[in-house]
Amino acid sequence: DAGVIQSPRHEVTEMGQEVTLRCKPISGHDYLFWYRQTMMRGLELLIYFNNNVPIDDSGMPEDRFSAKMPNASFSTLKIQPSEPRDSAVYFCASLPARVFNTEAFFGQGTRLTVV
Amino acid sequence: QKEVEQDPGPLSVPEGAIVSLNCTYSNSAFQYFMWYRQYSRKGPELLMYTYSSGNKEDGRFTAQVDKSSKYISLFIRDSQPSDSATYLCAMGWREKFYFGTGTSLTVIP
Repeated sequence: DAGVIQSPRHEVTEMGQEVTLRCKPISGHDYLFWYRQTMMRGLELLIYFNNNVPIDDSGMPEDRFSAKMPNASFSTLKIQPSEPRDSAVYFCASLPARVFNTEAFFGQGTRLTVV
Repeated sequence: QKEVEQDPGPLSVPEGAIVSLNCTYSNSAFQYFMWYRQYSRKGPELLMYTYSSGNKEDGRFTAQVDKSSKYISLFIRDSQPSDSATYLCAMGWREKFYFGTGTSLTVIP
């Protein structure tokens, strides 16, 4: 397996534009997580899914953020409209159903810059 | 109060030194504890995990958990330049876990 795949790796957009980040989890993993990483706040959990169903979205900062998982092999995180304070690295991670003795595998991240 | 507190550093040590990284937490429900390593412009990778108090050793790395004090540590012996990275503690229960902000470590040859 190629691991968790995120696209794009880098995104530069203007304030007010819509941004869509994409993630392909590891095949067979039941959980998918979206994180945001900044210097000030570290790695923050935004939302996570179990078997394509959103379980906890309490970390989503505002209504401008939305996430979907239409099937087991694909998820999107959308920001509309984007703002400069959304600039961060966004990570997707996936986890098998067994939570003990397992690790969450992270993608390479999408570095988002909103100007 | 944040769920997990971690000193961001940065920490700079000479090659061969013993490194100690620490985190504190407030939620007594946390059941398992992990250390992730993150190289520049990469995603975090699991380094060690444990779900009990005490020590766990893996090569040059030792993870220590003290649930009574809500304190965890990672020790790196004989540190190498390749250990230069950001180290993130993580802890939680079931599938939900929280990360510290990370400690940036540089090992100088």
